[in-house]
Order: sequence, then C-alpha cells, then structure tokens
Amino acid sequence: DAKTTQPTSMDCAEGRAANLPCNHSTISGNEYVYWYRQIHSQGPQYIIHGLKNNETNEMASLIITEDRKSSTLILPHATLRDTAVYYCIVRDGNEKLTFGTGTRLTIIP
Amino acid sequence: EPEVTQTPSHQVTQMGQEVILRCVPISNHLYFYWYRQILGQKVEFLVSFYNNEISEKSEIFDDQFSVERPDGSNFTLKIRSTKLEDSAMYFCASSPTSGFYNEQFFGPGTRLTVL
Repeated sequence: DAKTTQPTSMDCAEGRAANLPCNHSTISGNEYVYWYRQIHSQGPQYIIHGLKNNETNEMASLIITEDRKSSTLILPHATLRDTAVYYCIVRDGNEKLTFGTGTRLTIIP
Repeated sequence: EPEVTQTPSHQVTQMGQEVILRCVPISNHLYFYWYRQILGQKVEFLVSFYNNEISEKSEIFDDQFSVERPDGSNFTLKIRSTKLEDSAMYFCASSPTSGFYNEQFFGPGTRLTVL
C-alpha cells in the first residue's frame, strides 16, 4: 500500500469547515483512499473512501486531485464531537488497514 | 444501527496467564479482524479471518495468539501466555465483504493490562 503523509495536528473553529489534507504521491491506479477517525481511544470509525472521483456522504466530503497524489477530507460544519485523530489510508484491496499516525484535529469552541 | 461489541471492556491479568478476548461481529458480516493499539502508538493489524480460517496475519500474531469463531456469533482472540508487552487496546472489526469496498466496522475495544 502507498505511503501517506498528514499534518500532525490541526485546529478548527466550531461551526467552520475542517479541511484535512493527505499526500499520497506514490498511489497506484488501483488503490483507494480511505479515511477513518478515532475519538479518544475508541475503535476507529469509517468516514469515507474514494478512487478518483470526489465523494460525499452524511459525514464528510472527499476531494481527490486529478493526479490522485493528494486528497482532502472536508467536515463541512465541525462540532466539538469531531475532535479526533483522522487517518488517511491508501489500500489496494488488502484485508488489513495500515494506520499511520494521522492528524489530531481539535475543534475549538 | 448494528454494531460490533466486545467483552470485557477491561481485562487485568498476570504475566503468563491465558486470556480470551471476545467479540460479537455484526450479524451478516463475513470477514473478521483483530487489531491492537499500544498506548500512544499506532493501531496495528493482527489477523484477518474468513470462512473459518486465517486469511492474513501480521508478524505480531505469533504462536502465542490464536483466533476462533466457536459458534455463529462470537469471534475470539486468545493469548496463551501473556507478556507485559501485550498490554494494549484490542479492537475487533468486521466487514460484510472484502476487497475494495471493505468498510471495516470496529468495536469499542478491550483494554488488556498485563501485570
């Protein structure tokens, strides 16, 4: 699976959009981008995934650049409950999820 | 909404003892996983299980570890002789399918403390 790079931490004001970047410059054509989050030592929670088109669900939007070398997870109206570690994972259909260190997102009241 | 459950939430054991961590995956799921997270470190894959056999395991998953699906609902992780370094959160996960659309649903975890 391709390696990902994420900022260590970010802050976002409550009610604003949180934009979390991820670089995956070595991604190959059949690899998907997945986002999970982990709220304070709870089990990781699936957020969204995509291949090359932008995706949106009830939790977030995923924007993947045309060259697929980077992506951005957008939480449109961040709340205090969105404070968590966010993981960007690139995978090619392997069973396992390979977690990095992620981005610690803190929502500021 | 269906969810993965794990018991116990916290297990304390003496070094050298056997422990069994239990998980009830989501009922129509076919793929099952165990991960662990040592305090302050990354979430690490241990093993995946499908059709009553291990489909993939990591280097961490040595002979001290075993998994079993003893009935139609439970999925267990056994550590035969615990070591201090086995202290961690252990997460069970399940998925309805494998492959590209493999959204894994995680349980709340069992905190294992080895003394």
